Amino acid sequence: QQQVKQSPQSLIVQKGGISIINCAYENTAFDYFPWYQQFPGKGPALLIAIRPDVSEKKEGRFTISFNKSAKQFSLHIMDSQPGDSATYFCAASTPYTGNQFYFGTGTSLTVIP
Amino acid sequence: KAGVTQTPRYLIKTRGQQVTLSCSPISGHRSVSWYQQTPGQGLQFLFEYFSETQRNKGNFPGRFSGRQFSNSRSEMNVSTLELGDSALYLCASSQLGGGTEAFFGQGTRLTVV
Repeated sequence: QQQVKQSPQSLIVQKGGISIINCAYENTAFDYFPWYQQFPGKGPALLIAIRPDVSEKKEGRFTISFNKSAKQFSLHIMDSQPGDSATYFCAASTPYTGNQFYFGTGTSLTVIP
Repeated sequence: KAGVTQTPRYLIKTRGQQVTLSCSPISGHRSVSWYQQTPGQGLQFLFEYFSETQRNKGNFPGRFSGRQFSNSRSEMNVSTLELGDSALYLCASSQLGGGTEAFFGQGTRLTVV
């Protein structure tokens, strides 16, 4: 059972456009929601993270929007660049299970020049 | 500050053999988690160690085991290798665990033939 559902599976965006990746969860015990970026042959790199007490967090061109009542959160990449082409994973964890993250299935983003 | 270091980067083993993977966390980090990444199953949690104690374990058979040393370095062992164990094995370190920033290493690519 996939605890965190991620969509879309793949995404193609023009350079300068906005990339949007969505995740949904059921477990209301989740209280930490990070996003990771992974390039081929590399490990996932922490991009940005949010907790349920805020509805939005922005770091540079990356923004997380969080809807606690809908149990959904999304990553927005503004002014997408070819260098952003990578696989993005959303994740979630609870305060009771240490650093056990439940990952989404990933979104392969391609930014076309 | 040095990042998370995993060794070796690549391994080829024969079915039935055993393998040991190593992970050196970021200096000062006490939590080390291990994940298996495959195209079919995505990122799946194996186990987490904190201050030399296994704090949490995922749904993997007993052939997968680990340990953590007093300097926080961790090793993961897989015995009686199966073809299905071929995967990218990732470790992540964090200061405290429990839903805090976790940083991944580059991974060890294990191929079982």
